[in-house]
Amino acid sequence: ETGVTQTPRHLVMGMTNKKSLKCEQHLGHNAMYWYKQSAKKPLELMFVYSLEERVENNSVPSRFSPECPNSSHLFLHLHTLQPEDSALYLCASSQVLFRDNSYEQYFGPGTRLTVT
Amino acid sequence: LAKTTQPISMDSYEGQEVNITCSHNNIATNDYITWYQQFPSQGPRFIIQGYKTKVTNEVASLFIPADRKSSTLSLPRVSLSDTAVYYCLVGDGPNFGNEKLTFGTGTRLTIIP
Repeated sequence: ETGVTQTPRHLVMGMTNKKSLKCEQHLGHNAMYWYKQSAKKPLELMFVYSLEERVENNSVPSRFSPECPNSSHLFLHLHTLQPEDSALYLCASSQVLFRDNSYEQYFGPGTRLTVT
Repeated sequence: LAKTTQPISMDSYEGQEVNITCSHNNIATNDYITWYQQFPSQGPRFIIQGYKTKVTNEVASLFIPADRKSSTLSLPRVSLSDTAVYYCLVGDGPNFGNEKLTFGTGTRLTIIP
Protein backbone atom coordinates (compact mmCIF):
# COMPACT_ATOMS: atom_id res chain seq x y z
CA GLU A 1 0.00 0.00 0.00
CA THR A 2 1.69 3.18 -1.21
CA GLY A 3 -0.87 5.77 -0.17
CA VAL A 4 -2.03 6.25 -3.75
CA THR A 5 -5.30 4.64 -4.77
CA GLN A 6 -6.78 4.25 -8.21
CA THR A 7 -10.27 3.32 -9.33
CA PRO A 8 -11.41 1.35 -11.13
CA ARG A 9 -8.72 -1.32 -11.19
CA HIS A 10 -10.07 -2.76 -14.42
CA LEU A 11 -12.12 -1.08 -17.13
CA VAL A 12 -13.48 -2.32 -20.42
CA MET A 13 -14.97 0.30 -22.67
CA GLY A 14 -16.13 0.67 -26.22
CA MET A 15 -14.69 3.21 -28.58
CA THR A 16 -17.73 5.46 -28.28
CA ASN A 17 -17.89 5.44 -24.49
CA LYS A 18 -16.88 8.15 -22.07
CA LYS A 19 -15.27 7.09 -18.84
CA SER A 20 -13.05 8.54 -16.15
CA LEU A 21 -10.16 7.18 -14.15
CA LYS A 22 -9.73 8.42 -10.61
CA CYS A 23 -6.62 8.75 -8.51
CA GLU A 24 -6.35 9.85 -4.91
CA GLN A 25 -3.23 10.32 -2.83
CA HIS A 26 -3.19 10.35 0.96
CA LEU A 27 0.41 11.46 1.34
CA GLY A 28 0.08 15.22 1.39
CA HIS A 29 2.04 15.49 -1.84
CA ASN A 30 1.93 18.49 -4.15
CA ALA A 31 2.50 16.86 -7.53
CA MET A 32 0.53 14.17 -9.34
CA TYR A 33 1.19 12.31 -12.58
CA TRP A 34 -0.51 10.12 -15.15
CA TYR A 35 1.56 7.46 -16.91
CA LYS A 36 0.65 4.98 -19.62
CA GLN A 37 2.31 1.59 -19.85
CA SER A 38 1.58 -0.51 -22.91
CA ALA A 39 2.63 -4.11 -23.21
CA LYS A 40 6.41 -4.45 -23.32
CA LYS A 41 6.95 -0.71 -23.59
CA PRO A 42 8.51 1.78 -21.18
CA LEU A 43 6.37 3.93 -19.00
CA GLU A 44 5.20 7.02 -20.86
CA LEU A 45 4.57 10.19 -18.92
CA MET A 46 1.26 11.67 -20.00
CA PHE A 47 0.44 14.55 -17.69
CA VAL A 48 1.83 16.28 -14.64
CA TYR A 49 0.22 18.58 -12.13
CA SER A 50 2.70 20.35 -9.92
CA LEU A 51 1.29 22.70 -7.30
CA GLU A 52 -1.86 22.93 -9.42
CA GLU A 53 0.10 23.97 -12.49
CA ARG A 54 -0.31 21.58 -15.38
CA VAL A 55 2.51 20.45 -17.61
CA GLU A 56 1.25 18.63 -20.64
CA ASN A 57 3.04 16.22 -22.85
CA ASN A 58 2.23 17.45 -26.32
CA SER A 59 2.15 13.99 -27.78
CA VAL A 60 -0.93 12.96 -25.78
CA PRO A 61 -4.07 12.84 -27.97
CA SER A 62 -6.94 15.10 -26.99
CA ARG A 63 -9.15 12.08 -26.30
CA PHE A 64 -7.31 11.99 -22.97
CA SER A 65 -8.23 14.90 -20.72
CA PRO A 66 -6.79 15.31 -17.21
CA GLU A 67 -8.38 17.15 -14.33
CA CYS A 68 -6.84 18.02 -10.98
CA PRO A 69 -9.46 19.66 -8.73
CA ASN A 70 -7.11 19.73 -5.74
CA SER A 71 -3.74 18.41 -4.68
CA SER A 72 -5.16 15.07 -3.53
CA HIS A 73 -7.24 14.09 -6.54
CA LEU A 74 -6.47 13.50 -10.17
CA PHE A 75 -8.78 12.35 -12.92
CA LEU A 76 -8.22 11.17 -16.45
CA HIS A 77 -11.28 11.61 -18.64
CA LEU A 78 -11.47 9.28 -21.61
CA HIS A 79 -13.59 9.62 -24.71
CA THR A 80 -13.57 8.13 -28.19
CA LEU A 81 -10.63 5.90 -27.41
CA GLN A 82 -8.96 3.53 -29.84
CA PRO A 83 -8.00 -0.12 -29.28
CA GLU A 84 -4.33 0.90 -29.19
CA ASP A 85 -5.11 2.93 -26.07
CA SER A 86 -5.53 -0.32 -24.15
CA ALA A 87 -2.85 -0.26 -21.48
CA LEU A 88 -2.11 0.02 -17.79
CA TYR A 89 -2.69 3.60 -16.64
CA LEU A 90 -0.70 4.54 -13.60
CA CYS A 91 -1.07 7.48 -11.29
CA ALA A 92 1.77 8.73 -9.10
CA SER A 93 2.42 11.51 -6.66
CA SER A 94 5.47 13.20 -5.22
CA GLN A 95 6.36 15.93 -2.83
CA VAL A 96 7.61 18.98 -4.66
CA LEU A 97 10.32 20.42 -2.49
CA PHE A 98 11.84 23.69 -3.50
CA ARG A 99 15.15 23.00 -1.81
CA ASP A 100 15.40 19.27 -2.23
CA ASN A 101 15.84 17.60 -5.59
CA SER A 102 14.11 14.27 -5.65
CA TYR A 103 12.58 11.83 -8.08
CA GLU A 104 10.83 9.88 -5.37
CA GLN A 105 7.36 9.14 -6.64
CA TYR A 106 4.71 6.90 -5.18
CA PHE A 107 2.63 4.95 -7.66
CA GLY A 108 -0.87 3.60 -7.44
CA PRO A 109 -1.76 0.06 -8.51
CA GLY A 110 -2.96 1.20 -11.91
CA THR A 111 -6.10 0.80 -13.98
CA ARG A 112 -6.00 -1.92 -16.60
CA LEU A 113 -7.93 -0.42 -19.52
CA THR A 114 -9.21 -2.45 -22.44
CA VAL A 115 -10.78 -0.66 -25.38
CA THR A 116 -12.97 -2.85 -27.58
CA LEU B 1 17.13 14.73 -17.79
CA ALA B 2 20.33 12.76 -18.06
CA LYS B 3 20.18 9.74 -20.32
CA THR B 4 20.77 6.41 -18.62
CA THR B 5 21.97 3.06 -19.92
CA GLN B 6 21.25 -0.22 -18.17
CA PRO B 7 21.54 -3.87 -19.18
CA ILE B 8 18.30 -5.09 -20.70
CA SER B 9 18.20 -8.27 -18.64
CA MET B 10 20.06 -10.21 -15.96
CA ASP B 11 19.68 -13.63 -14.39
CA SER B 12 20.82 -14.67 -10.93
CA TYR B 13 20.37 -17.57 -8.54
CA GLU B 14 18.56 -17.32 -5.25
CA GLY B 15 20.75 -16.29 -2.35
CA GLN B 16 23.25 -14.43 -4.51
CA GLU B 17 24.04 -10.73 -4.36
CA VAL B 18 22.94 -8.94 -7.52
CA ASN B 19 24.52 -5.75 -8.81
CA ILE B 20 22.84 -3.74 -11.55
CA THR B 21 24.89 -0.93 -13.02
CA CYS B 22 23.50 2.17 -14.66
CA SER B 23 25.59 4.55 -16.77
CA HIS B 24 24.75 8.25 -16.77
CA ASN B 25 27.68 10.06 -18.33
CA ASN B 26 25.85 13.39 -18.66
CA ILE B 27 24.73 13.63 -15.06
CA ALA B 28 24.45 17.22 -13.89
CA THR B 29 25.62 18.72 -10.63
CA ASN B 30 22.13 18.86 -9.13
CA ASP B 31 21.00 15.45 -10.34
CA TYR B 32 20.01 12.67 -7.96
CA ILE B 33 20.07 8.97 -8.86
CA THR B 34 16.90 7.04 -8.15
CA TRP B 35 16.01 3.37 -8.58
CA TYR B 36 12.58 1.82 -8.91
CA GLN B 37 11.31 -1.76 -8.95
CA GLN B 38 8.29 -2.86 -10.95
CA PHE B 39 6.40 -6.15 -10.85
CA PRO B 40 4.09 -7.12 -13.71
CA SER B 41 0.81 -5.20 -13.80
CA GLN B 42 1.80 -3.02 -10.85
CA GLY B 43 3.10 0.48 -10.49
CA PRO B 44 6.83 1.04 -9.93
CA ARG B 45 8.01 1.10 -6.34
CA PHE B 46 10.69 3.47 -5.12
CA ILE B 47 13.71 1.52 -3.86
CA ILE B 48 16.52 3.93 -3.13
CA GLN B 49 17.96 7.29 -4.02
CA GLY B 50 21.39 8.84 -3.66
CA TYR B 51 23.62 11.70 -4.67
CA LYS B 52 27.13 10.44 -3.97
CA THR B 53 29.13 7.69 -2.23
CA LYS B 54 26.96 4.99 -0.70
CA VAL B 55 23.40 4.81 0.46
CA THR B 56 21.89 1.80 2.20
CA ASN B 57 18.39 1.02 3.34
CA GLU B 58 16.54 -2.12 4.38
CA VAL B 59 16.06 -3.19 0.77
CA ALA B 60 19.21 -2.31 -1.15
CA SER B 61 22.44 -0.40 -1.36
CA LEU B 62 23.39 2.20 -3.93
CA PHE B 63 27.02 2.78 -4.80
CA ILE B 64 28.00 5.98 -6.58
CA PRO B 65 31.63 6.62 -7.54
CA ALA B 66 33.24 10.01 -7.15
CA ASP B 67 32.67 11.04 -10.78
CA ARG B 68 28.97 10.07 -10.51
CA LYS B 69 28.91 8.89 -14.11
CA SER B 70 27.53 5.52 -13.09
CA SER B 71 25.79 3.91 -10.17
CA THR B 72 25.27 0.36 -8.97
CA LEU B 73 22.18 -0.98 -7.29
CA SER B 74 23.07 -3.89 -5.03
CA LEU B 75 20.44 -6.36 -3.87
CA PRO B 76 21.74 -8.65 -1.11
CA ARG B 77 20.77 -12.34 -1.09
CA VAL B 78 18.02 -12.17 -3.69
CA SER B 79 14.96 -14.36 -3.62
CA LEU B 80 12.42 -15.34 -6.24
CA SER B 81 10.26 -12.38 -5.21
CA ASP B 82 12.98 -10.02 -6.43
CA THR B 83 12.20 -10.97 -10.02
CA ALA B 84 11.12 -7.65 -11.50
CA VAL B 85 12.15 -4.80 -13.77
CA TYR B 86 14.53 -2.29 -12.21
CA TYR B 87 14.68 1.28 -13.47
CA CYS B 88 17.43 3.83 -12.97
CA LEU B 89 16.46 7.50 -13.19
CA VAL B 90 18.72 10.51 -13.05
CA GLY B 91 17.54 14.08 -12.82
CA ASP B 92 17.21 17.19 -10.79
CA GLY B 93 13.67 16.64 -9.71
CA PRO B 94 10.42 18.28 -10.64
CA ASN B 95 10.56 21.69 -12.22
CA PHE B 96 7.51 23.83 -12.73
CA GLY B 97 6.49 23.73 -16.33
CA ASN B 98 9.32 21.42 -17.36
CA GLU B 99 8.65 18.00 -15.95
CA LYS B 100 10.53 15.41 -17.98
CA LEU B 101 10.52 12.06 -16.24
CA THR B 102 11.53 9.10 -18.33
CA PHE B 103 11.84 5.59 -16.99
CA GLY B 104 13.50 3.97 -19.98
CA THR B 105 13.36 0.24 -20.60
CA GLY B 106 14.93 -0.82 -17.29
CA THR B 107 16.69 -4.09 -16.43
CA ARG B 108 14.61 -7.24 -16.28
CA LEU B 109 16.03 -9.28 -13.40
CA THR B 110 15.11 -12.95 -13.25
CA ILE B 111 15.93 -14.96 -10.16
CA ILE B 112 16.47 -18.65 -10.74
CA PRO B 113 15.64 -21.19 -8.01
